[in-house]
Amino acid sequence: KQEVTQIPAALSVPEGENLVLNCSFTDSAIYNLQWFRQDPGKGLTSLLLIQSSQREQTSGRLNASLDKSSGRSTLYIAASQPGDSATYLCAASGGSYIPTFGRGTSLIVHP
Amino acid sequence: DAMVIQNPRYQVTQFGKPVTLSCSQTLNHNVMYWYQQKSSQAPKLLFHYYDKDFNNEADTPDNFQSRRPNTSFCFLDIRSPGLGDAAMYLCATSRGPGTGGFTEAFFGQGTRLTVV
Repeated sequence: KQEVTQIPAALSVPEGENLVLNCSFTDSAIYNLQWFRQDPGKGLTSLLLIQSSQREQTSGRLNASLDKSSGRSTLYIAASQPGDSATYLCAASGGSYIPTFGRGTSLIVHP
Repeated sequence: DAMVIQNPRYQVTQFGKPVTLSCSQTLNHNVMYWYQQKSSQAPKLLFHYYDKDFNNEADTPDNFQSRRPNTSFCFLDIRSPGLGDAAMYLCATSRGPGTGGFTEAFFGQGTRLTVV
């Protein structure tokens, strides 16, 4: 059974810092890995999708990498802003094609 | 335009009173999922449909049931809500295997269920 772990659980940083959020998964036989953003009391917004054949994806200030062999993905946020404050979740879709989630990293970016 | 729509956004129900949450999609995806998310926890899969095939997670309580009358709509029924069922319920869709590859999963805005 796939298990997904996210470190750190919480992060508080000043505006402008570059950040790295970590995601690890136990079953490396994944189809894709997806990063989501969740604002308080809201649903999930997809940020980046990395297919198993890819190593990274970029969108604006966000860059996500995937290393299947080590069971790891990282989300890099450049030049963080207060509007980036949210919970970031990763989800790995394995042989059952169903996304399995980590508990997320709660990010606060203060001015 | 919203692609996965959940109604209502907020639902308050009485202990033991049946409640139904709804989800609709405009993406024509063949897979639909229901997740339960409690505070500061990972979303937990309750069920999913692959086309009309219903798949129940082994640890999903019998109190929870689901219906998918057509591709676009899916419902979550809670027969006798308890205090422990208060949570955010998330609906999602994706393409499944054999349909030209996987796409990302799209989520609705969720329904926050309160049990009083």
